[in-house]
Amino acid sequence: QSALTQPPSASGSPGQSVTISCTGTSSDVGGYNSVSWYQQNPGKAPKLMIYEVTKRPSGAPDRFSGSRSGNTASLTVSGLQAEDEADYYCSSFAGSNTWVFGGGTKLTVL
Amino acid sequence: QVQLQESGPGLVKPSETLSLTCTVSGGSISGYYWNWVRQPPGKGLQWIGFVYDRGLTSYNPALKSRVTISEDTSKNQFSLKLTSVTAADTAIYFCAKHRGTAFDPWGQGTLVTVSS
Repeated sequence: QSALTQPPSASGSPGQSVTISCTGTSSDVGGYNSVSWYQQNPGKAPKLMIYEVTKRPSGAPDRFSGSRSGNTASLTVSGLQAEDEADYYCSSFAGSNTWVFGGGTKLTVL
Repeated sequence: QVQLQESGPGLVKPSETLSLTCTVSGGSISGYYWNWVRQPPGKGLQWIGFVYDRGLTSYNPALKSRVTISEDTSKNQFSLKLTSVTAADTAIYFCAKHRGTAFDPWGQGTLVTVSS
């Protein structure tokens, strides 16, 4: 079971859109509709932003959206705001009742 | 609204057993999946495992030989035991509920340091 691959960093200016990728395999990201995304601010617990690839829980701004193509899932943040600066993690079901996380991406708002 | 709170020793000696408890308030633990996730300082998240109603468990293969997760429905708590700890087990340990196939909500986390 290997961690999902995310870019270490991403950045954008206020108002722009940024996309963070999460690459796995057909045994995890590509095989199940179970990709989720989390926002983590320093010293805080992760917060669910997207679940089941594209669904947004109540409380998550509609600027956040999720998608998937093959074995790569993506989180897009539109209309970047300063408060979006945080670490972002993806997660996926990996079969056999196990889950795996990505290595995390630090999003900087320029 | 369900809330989770981790508790346990913040310092564990090498080769000993790390023991943590997660207390759930605002709802029953029965009928749901309850997870442990950890995060070494400055690093990413690692899923440790879950316990489900009536004691069904699943663990990260990398930790399976050292991990036990159990639940106490009478206290609305679930627990983590990790044996033979080393410095590599130093991390913030989070408990989290499963929401469908996602983790939500999470406890605030507790730092456990492995050191003599």
